Amino acid sequence: ILNVEQSPQSLHVQEGDSTNFTCSFPSSNFYALHWYRWETAKSPEALFVMTLNGDEKKKGQISATLNTKEGYSYLYIKGSQPEDSATYLCAPTSSGGYNKLIFGAGTRLAVHP
Amino acid sequence: DGGITQSPKYLFRKEGQNVTLSCEQNLNHDAMYWYRQDPGQGLRLIYYSQIVNDFQKGDIAEGYSVSREKKESFPLTVTSAQKNPTAFYLCASSITGTDEKLFFGSGTQLSVL
Repeated sequence: ILNVEQSPQSLHVQEGDSTNFTCSFPSSNFYALHWYRWETAKSPEALFVMTLNGDEKKKGQISATLNTKEGYSYLYIKGSQPEDSATYLCAPTSSGGYNKLIFGAGTRLAVHP
Repeated sequence: DGGITQSPKYLFRKEGQNVTLSCEQNLNHDAMYWYRQDPGQGLRLIYYSQIVNDFQKGDIAEGYSVSREKKESFPLTVTSAQKNPTAFYLCASSITGTDEKLFFGSGTQLSVL
């Protein structure tokens, strides 16, 4: 079973600040890395699915990078807004023929006006 | 609108009782999943199904059972053998494939009376 670590556990920033979090995972048998955003009282929503080493993806002011050789991914938010407040989950999958995601405990972001 | 519906939102279980959590999707997805969340932990996989009439145990299947008689439905039964059932339960679905994003329901909070 993969051991997935996310840091920091929680983060408080002011509106307009840029921020980033880390997802670390064992690099052996890696296949894909998922990022999800989970707002309070809502369902988790997919942000990115990344598979290639060096991959970078962007959605609005949110971007992510992937390093499969060393086993980490960074999620960046540029110019945080209060609506970015959520828990951000990462989940790698290993090669094995099915979509078995191993979730980290998440980074809880609070953006204050 | 397409999506995943979980019911009920809150559920209470008495000692020795089996309870069933409902999960229905109209996304035409072949794969469906059940996850459990405990405070401070990542989502943990209970059961998953890649096709109708077939399902596999996840990492924490003991004390749970599922069925997949229809593509749209994947109910989870929490049996009396599950000694610590209090948790938040999330159902998800996806297109079959190891890099396909998950779509989540809004969850069921199960508590023991």
